[in-house]
Amino acid sequence: DQQVKQNSPSLSVQEGRISILNCDYTNSMFDYFLWYKKYPAEGPTFLISISSIKDKNEDGRFTVFLNKSAKHLSLHIVPSQPGDSAVYFCAARRGSARQLTFGSGTQLTVLP
Amino acid sequence: SQTIHQWPATLVQPVGSPLSLECTVEGTSNPNLYWYRQAAGRGLQLLFYSVGIGQISSEVPQNLSASRPQDRQFILSSKKLLLSDSGFYLCAWSDLSTGYNYEQYFGPGTRLTVT
Repeated sequence: DQQVKQNSPSLSVQEGRISILNCDYTNSMFDYFLWYKKYPAEGPTFLISISSIKDKNEDGRFTVFLNKSAKHLSLHIVPSQPGDSAVYFCAARRGSARQLTFGSGTQLTVLP
Repeated sequence: SQTIHQWPATLVQPVGSPLSLECTVEGTSNPNLYWYRQAAGRGLQLLFYSVGIGQISSEVPQNLSASRPQDRQFILSSKKLLLSDSGFYLCAWSDLSTGYNYEQYFGPGTRLTVT
């Protein structure tokens, strides 16, 4: 049972345009959501997060939106840069649980 | 600042051989520690997590085991590797004491190929 789903395995975007990465979840008990970025042969790096009490969190070029009623979150990258090309994972945490539940990832390719 | 180390970076082992992967964290005390595996083309699967020395929780039953002999050391082991154990193994930590209790920070990973 995949509780966190990233239905798009890949996304290509032109440099300078907006990248939108989507993530859906099924467990209504999740109350904290995170995005990680991963380059090949490296560990994921934390990018941005959002609590379920908010619907938007912004950090520079990165904005995460949360729609609790739809159980959907998205990561917007504006403007996209070639260095943003990586696999992006969304993750969710339930209450006091110590572990995160990860999606399967989306490979973003930013074309110069 | 906190750093996390994993070794080896790459490993090629025959089926049936033992495995020991090590992870250490510096710059923090009593971290939560995690082992994940990323199989080819798949997401991150949590294997084990530990909230303290000698305390291990297993998420997925398999032929792997984990141990935490010291506060900042986490070891992933197997007595006999299977072909299906191939993958990219990641260690991560999180720190409850500073309030950064949601983010997990990952090590560089170990690429394991079982032949």
